[in-house]
Amino acid sequence: QSALTQPASVSGSPGQSITISCTGTSSDVGSYNLVSWYQQHPGKAPKLMIYEVSKRPSGVSNRFSGSKSGNTASLTISGLQAEDEADYYCCSYAGSSTFWVFGGGTKLTVL
Amino acid sequence: QVQLVESGGGLVKPGGSLRLSCAASGFTFSDYYMSWIRQAPGKGLEWVSYISSSGSTIYYADSVKGRFTISRDNAKNSLYLQMNSLRAEDTAVYYCARDYQDTPGYWGQGTLVTVSS
Repeated sequence: QSALTQPASVSGSPGQSITISCTGTSSDVGSYNLVSWYQQHPGKAPKLMIYEVSKRPSGVSNRFSGSKSGNTASLTISGLQAEDEADYYCCSYAGSSTFWVFGGGTKLTVL
Repeated sequence: QVQLVESGGGLVKPGGSLRLSCAASGFTFSDYYMSWIRQAPGKGLEWVSYISSSGSTIYYADSVKGRFTISRDNAKNSLYLQMNSLRAEDTAVYYCARDYQDTPGYWGQGTLVTVSS
């Protein structure tokens, strides 16, 4: 069982927007603004899409955005494209003993 | 550009040992903390271990504490993971990752470790 809770799957049509939630606790998501999101295509390494809750690394499309409220973080993808179909994982810093905790992953299907 | 290349994975029997390596290039290795993160087949990501830029600070996940040892050689731009007393549940792709703004930002392609008799 993963430390952070994500929906197993979400889907949307091209051009639509979807949101993936990531629920943690007051010991991780709720305590630190160090939530990140990763995109993983089959057989590939994870790619950082969002860091520090809502910041995008250089080169990541502005269709990807992040937010946080209390113990829940969210990733929103607007203007869905076929290449967005992938697994998405959230990650939060959880203190020096537990360090980083991940969500179980959400499979995004573009219909 | 940042490049991380893992090696050393393979098939090992339960109770056996394996040493993973991660060769880094494209950045000043000694400036960054590094981590190992694993992914069991068809499963999610699990943080395994962290080492500071100098190697003076180290953390482990409870699942590997006492069995795995992380280390680095800044002169060789390399990160290591010594894995002892391996169990079936350690079967996974092991990724090395470099820090980017306090999160695992750059990942290698991974190396597969299979623990089976």
